[in-house]
Amino acid sequence: QVQLQESGPGLVKPSQTLSLTCTVSGGSISSGGYYWSWIRQHPGKGLEWIGYIYYSGSTYYNPSLKSRVTISVDTSKNQFSLKLSSVTAADTAVYYCARAAGRWLQLGYWGQGTLVTVSS
Amino acid sequence: SYELTQLPSVSVSPGQTARITCSGDVLGENYADWYQQKPGQAPELVIYEDSERYPGIPERFSGSTSGNTTTLTISRVLTEDEADYYCLSGDEDNVVFGGGTKLTVL
Repeated sequence: QVQLQESGPGLVKPSQTLSLTCTVSGGSISSGGYYWSWIRQHPGKGLEWIGYIYYSGSTYYNPSLKSRVTISVDTSKNQFSLKLSSVTAADTAVYYCARAAGRWLQLGYWGQGTLVTVSS
Repeated sequence: SYELTQLPSVSVSPGQTARITCSGDVLGENYADWYQQKPGQAPELVIYEDSERYPGIPERFSGSTSGNTTTLTISRVLTEDEADYYCLSGDEDNVVFGGGTKLTVL
């Protein structure tokens, strides 16, 4: 059974860079065939797709966040990561990592989510 | 356009059929997923490729698409189906979730 777990600081100061890591167990990122994704949910609001990375390193980002987002992969640790730069209070959200079987679709496995608050 | 429009809320009584719709131009040529999210939990995939049920999802859940609208149908609704439901679709230019529909089982 594939499991994903987000980790990282729960509090980030405005203008700094938000950094989160997703650790995958029960399956190998380097096996290919899946797209390792980040999604966020502002408090009390809907879901927002952030982007994905393939094991080869190819990425696809939400155009509205593209200038600030970097998703990377470390196959040796079976982890992938999210960096979001120049954060503001509007980036306060629960951040989920997930595994997609169809590029941006078929998000069949999700982490439990981690709340990141942007505040000084 | 890259907007997926969902009604904010739908209410049904137990045993009835709930239909939750999602509309957007991107649906005309691209598949959609449906996700169920209960309070305090991560979303769960219910339907993929417009109409395929994800493993473990009851047969009461079905999906269909006509033109630019995709519909999640829940037959014989149970109280446990009360949740937020989101559609997801996109293409090479953008990927979007619908705004979500809160299903209330009265």
